Amino acid sequence: ETGVTQTPRHLVMGMTNKKSLKCEQHLGHNAMYWYKQSAKKPLELMFVYSLEERVENNSVPSRFSPECPNSSHLFLHLHTLQPEDSALYLCASSQAGVGTEAFFGQGTRLTVV
Amino acid sequence: RKEVEQDPGPFNVPEGATVAFNCTYSNSASQSFFWYRQDCRKEPKLLMSVYSSGNEDGRFTAQLNRASQYISLLIRDSKLSDSATYLCVAHNSGYALNFGKGTSLLVTP
Repeated sequence: ETGVTQTPRHLVMGMTNKKSLKCEQHLGHNAMYWYKQSAKKPLELMFVYSLEERVENNSVPSRFSPECPNSSHLFLHLHTLQPEDSALYLCASSQAGVGTEAFFGQGTRLTVV
Repeated sequence: RKEVEQDPGPFNVPEGATVAFNCTYSNSASQSFFWYRQDCRKEPKLLMSVYSSGNEDGRFTAQLNRASQYISLLIRDSKLSDSATYLCVAHNSGYALNFGKGTSLLVTP
């Protein structure tokens, strides 16, 4: 496989459920990101990991919990979400540094009921 | 003020038309710039990087004006397949790419 892959592609969960989103990159990059894209809003950066350490956490509620076990894998653990958390969650990777573009996975479309 | 601002559109143009999008960024320390394209319900994909001297890739031309802090994208001879949302991106010394809200383009027959 190549590129950035995310699973699952679609997820429906209740507000009391616990689920995890998975992202895997095969590009040899050393930085990985979680973005949230809600309807009619710009992409919102949630978390950044560089060399497996979290380097940015943009005031994201604690019901979202990221995990980066190695440079190729990134998880987003979800628990007790709210309906307003329904959105497209996009994972991206890049080679850390200015001038390098990010490559995105296909995203997980999450619906919280 | 948002870091990257774009006119959301939509821009409705006929096939063959030339269309231009502008984008402004607020952080003068931004060093790298990109245009991404996002199709409906899909992930953003890199369209082109934007260089200080301006650059062209086929029908697409990107330009950067550092003094005025804006970036432009020109699409010539529009195709139906160009219909998408175009995202302007600025990158400073931090890790995160700062995305604009996107400009929606619809090319009609």
